Amino acid sequence: QVQLVESGGGVVRPGRSLRLSCAASGFSFSSYTMHWVRQAPGKGLEWVALISYDGSHTYLADSVKGRFTISRDNSRNTQYLQMNSLRPDDTGVYYCARDGPSVASAGYFDYWGQGTLVTVSS
Amino acid sequence: DIQMTQSPSSVSASVGDRVTITCRASQVISNWLAWYQQKPGKAPKLLIFATSSLQSGVPSRFSGSGSGTDFTLTISSLQPEDIATYYCQQTNGLTFGGGTNVEIK
Repeated sequence: QVQLVESGGGVVRPGRSLRLSCAASGFSFSSYTMHWVRQAPGKGLEWVALISYDGSHTYLADSVKGRFTISRDNSRNTQYLQMNSLRPDDTGVYYCARDGPSVASAGYFDYWGQGTLVTVSS
Repeated sequence: DIQMTQSPSSVSASVGDRVTITCRASQVISNWLAWYQQKPGKAPKLLIFATSSLQSGVPSRFSGSGSGTDFTLTISSLQPEDIATYYCQQTNGLTFGGGTNVEIK
């Protein structure tokens, strides 16, 4: 069955960096666009980043552009989110999500990980 | 950017009631709309994609409709396990609505 397992969250001071990982299993990882979606405490969902199946295309939300980088290693069935210059408003649960089955990006998320909590605080 | 507005922000209904949640886009988005259910402490779960296509394994009491800018998620007969927050999402620009909290009266 499809599994997505995030790791790498924790408490970090403002301005510092953190790298999240998402290990995928149960499907052909290299065939799917992947995403990161976050949720601030008590708030709604915010799409953060996507990466195409082969890593050739990446897109970031304006709120993280220039600070975050998304990447993937298809040989390890893993995607990453490198987060630099972290701010308190980056605090939240970060979810790894798989794009729906489509030749191009479907834009919806059919499988989600359990999430990893990132807390940015001094 | 296209904004997604959900209403109501909260709804309280009895078991067996029909519940309707509305999502309005600030521009025409064709049928590029999905709905998710999120229970407390859990990851969101895809219910519907492409406005009205039911994701595999989702009970048939959930349905979606609409086009253009106005969309609806309907729960035909509310069950206790449907207590959750529901989000719409514009799947072209990837933006979410603010969420609707569904409670049992």
